[in-house]
Amino acid sequence: KAGVTQTPRYLIKTRGQQVTLSCSPISGHRSVSWYQQTPGQGLQFLFEYFSETQRNKGNFPGRFSGRQFSNSRSEMNVSTLELGDSALYLCASSDPGYGYTFGSGTRLTVV
Amino acid sequence: DQQVKQNSPSLSVQEGRISILNCDYTNSMFDYFLWYKKYPAEGPTFLISISSIKDKNEDGRFTVFLNKSAKHLSLHIVPSQPGDSAVYFCAARAYNNDMRFGAGTRLTVKP
Repeated sequence: KAGVTQTPRYLIKTRGQQVTLSCSPISGHRSVSWYQQTPGQGLQFLFEYFSETQRNKGNFPGRFSGRQFSNSRSEMNVSTLELGDSALYLCASSDPGYGYTFGSGTRLTVV
Repeated sequence: DQQVKQNSPSLSVQEGRISILNCDYTNSMFDYFLWYKKYPAEGPTFLISISSIKDKNEDGRFTVFLNKSAKHLSLHIVPSQPGDSAVYFCAARAYNNDMRFGAGTRLTVKP
């Protein structure tokens, strides 16, 4: 099976802009979760989608949003970017089992 | 709120010795615990897990111990190898599939 694919791998944006990140889960996986990784904060949970519905949400401002399509692909959007949004954004897909499979992430730099 | 805590941001051990990585959690609704390993520029990869009905799970050089009463788990690596040098994330999953991660511990195994 192909792994979890995240695009783009790297992104540089200016403060105030918006950005959309994409995640294609492993075929057959219906759950997609998004995480933000920053030094010292570890992996912070953003949200989880299951069958096109947001199932769980972390403690991030409304500028962070997401959606999932009928083919389970997911997108994450961040509007009005701030310098503090610079991070590695990781997507993980999971099956009814217990583990998550992560993509390689999108490195977002806000300048 | 940090429901999963890894209080040691870094750990350095000599090759051949034991590495012990610790993790504490606060939410008693967590019923499944996982350890992930992350190399630079890659997404985290699943390492080992343990269900809340067990207190130990072993897989080769890796053993995870769970102390439910103390809400504490640990990962033991014996013997440690230089290739084990990475960031290790502890994760805990609740019954509703909500998964939270610790901040990670950077393990360095010196030859």
